[in-house]
Amino acid sequence: DGGITQSPKYLFRKEGQNVTLSCEQNLNHDAMYWYRQDPGQGLRLIYYSQIVNDFQKGDIAEGYSVSREKKESFPLTVTSAQKNPTAFYLCASSSGGASGELFFGEGSRLTVL
Amino acid sequence: SQQGEEDPQALSIQEGENATMNCSYKTSINNLQWYRQNSGRGLVHLILIRSNEREKHSGRLRVTLDTSKKSSSLLITASRAADTASYFCATDFKAAGNKLTFGGGTRVLVKP
Repeated sequence: DGGITQSPKYLFRKEGQNVTLSCEQNLNHDAMYWYRQDPGQGLRLIYYSQIVNDFQKGDIAEGYSVSREKKESFPLTVTSAQKNPTAFYLCASSSGGASGELFFGEGSRLTVL
Repeated sequence: SQQGEEDPQALSIQEGENATMNCSYKTSINNLQWYRQNSGRGLVHLILIRSNEREKHSGRLRVTLDTSKKSSSLLITASRAADTASYFCATDFKAAGNKLTFGGGTRVLVKP
């Protein structure tokens, strides 16, 4: 089935460690997005990519990094510079960017111990 | 902030009743979308309405858009317990580039 796969679903990290969240899609979409969601809140955009080898910062990019070496993959690294990384992270993709529907993965919940 | 703002933040209704939630925004948009999120899950797209459209329907869902008031509403008719979820509006602002900005959401509880 076509869709977006995020892994891991749950992740625990010690303070000072970097962690990478995986996002893979087989929908042949050009655009991919990473959002962060805090409890009871909406989604805030971290990074987005409209095409392979290109990406732009979103509203809360500090402490995060991404790469887009393949169309199917858009991994997010939460670095030790991110001061409050405990959150629910959602990856999405779209064939038409913001002019079309976003397809979301099931999310990765990161907890910093 | 350009973020869409949903109202109310939370809504509790009985099964069979209608649920209405609103989204307001501040600057011109290309389109506005509504998404649903069950607890701890990813978001699911419900409806997209373009800036030149005023109303769209999908099953028990009705979305309106008033660009003069910079607001949209989502109506769920004849609600069911399975409609219990959070609902988010997302806006494609003309000045923001190719990205969607999400509001804070409305948490809907449908009691059986």
